[in-house]
Amino acid sequence: AQSVTQLDSHVSVSEGTPVLLRCNYSSSYSPSLFWYVQHPNKGLQLLLKYTSAATLVKGINGFEAEFKKSETSFHLTKPSAHMSDAAEYFCVVSTREGGSYIPTFGRGTSLIVHP
Amino acid sequence: DTGVSQNPRHKITKRGQNVTFRCDPISEHNRLYWYRQTLGQGPEFLTYFQNEAQLEKSRLLSDRFSAERPKGSFSTLEIQRTEQGDSAMYLCASSSPQVFGEGSWLTVV
Repeated sequence: AQSVTQLDSHVSVSEGTPVLLRCNYSSSYSPSLFWYVQHPNKGLQLLLKYTSAATLVKGINGFEAEFKKSETSFHLTKPSAHMSDAAEYFCVVSTREGGSYIPTFGRGTSLIVHP
Repeated sequence: DTGVSQNPRHKITKRGQNVTFRCDPISEHNRLYWYRQTLGQGPEFLTYFQNEAQLEKSRLLSDRFSAERPKGSFSTLEIQRTEQGDSAMYLCASSSPQVFGEGSWLTVV
């Protein structure tokens, strides 16, 4: 069985300050992990993914995430927030269950960016 | 347009009616996924196809839900005898990597 917990439902930052969105996962097997962003009235967009290669993963728009197996975490960071980063962010875990890869999404973290 | 296309984008239906949503994936992607997303929640996996084969359907919410992908290209998701609790956004994605459509909003009145 697998699960994912996004530790904050809302995160509020000022423009130009760092962003940290926290994600913990539970998985019986080696997981693939993803972060997606969803802007209002837009489809989900893949930010980055971890698939058992480098533990520090760089994504689009300056985001990156670090896979920490000992902490079962995959937190998303960005050094400097931009107003356009305001959106909903989803952490996703996917492992092979009975021959199928079934993704499990977290409940989402809403990122609010203040001028 | 090379993205994932979903139709219709919005559907309002009366309780008890059947509805069908269509998803046109990116042409070279052989996997296609369906999800349901309700307000304040992340997408919930429903089913997926590898080409025309439905490899996982145990997560479909009830026997009123069914999906097809007859020729391994577009897919349809049908909900029979709709209930108010079916009101949600239904998302389609094709992969790899997963690219999502903009979703189909269903409102059951």
